[in-house]
Amino acid sequence: KAGVTQTPRYLIKTRGQQVTLSCSPISGHRSVSWYQQTPGQGLQFLFEYFSETQRNKGNFPGRFSGRQFSNSRSEMNVSTLELGDSALYLCASKGVAGANVLTFGAGSRLTVL
Amino acid sequence: GDSVTQMEGPVTLSEEAFLTINCTYTATGYPSLFWYVQYPGEGLQLLLKATKADDKGSNKGFEATYRKETTSFHLEKGSVQVSDSAVYFCALSERGSTLGRLYFGRGTQLTVWP
Repeated sequence: KAGVTQTPRYLIKTRGQQVTLSCSPISGHRSVSWYQQTPGQGLQFLFEYFSETQRNKGNFPGRFSGRQFSNSRSEMNVSTLELGDSALYLCASKGVAGANVLTFGAGSRLTVL
Repeated sequence: GDSVTQMEGPVTLSEEAFLTINCTYTATGYPSLFWYVQYPGEGLQLLLKATKADDKGSNKGFEATYRKETTSFHLEKGSVQVSDSAVYFCALSERGSTLGRLYFGRGTQLTVWP
């Protein structure tokens, strides 16, 4: 079956702009989580959505937001971009069974100039 | 709060050498433990997992044993290959949690030379 698909894979923005990233989970998975990966901070949890509801949130400012649609696809949005937002944004989906095994997408590489 | 500490490396080995990457954790209760691997330009892939004390996870020649007494989950492989070159992440999730949140270590870059 198809894996987790993230689009776009690469994008370049300038400070002050906003960006929207998309994630399509594995078919049947209703949980989608987002992580930010940077060389300085490593992998940091942004938020998780389940059945269109945010049920867990990491320690990020309100400029970072997300949503989930009825087909479980998820988007995350970053407004008023800062240089420090340059990162690889990873999406992961999870099924209902199993010990919290996450399946990750290849990520969206965001560069803020 | 929950956290994971792993040796950051980089680790450089010759092909067929023995690999150990140390990982220790801090958590309330008994978390589930994972090793993920990230190849260049890709996302993370689950390598192995263990859900309770003394469990041994294994996959592709890699092994790790959940040691409650030392709060550790060290990754080992008896004979590494060039294709094992990647970044390895140790992670935990709160036991019994259904939430999709993992706490990751900082990652260990492994380079294997032929």
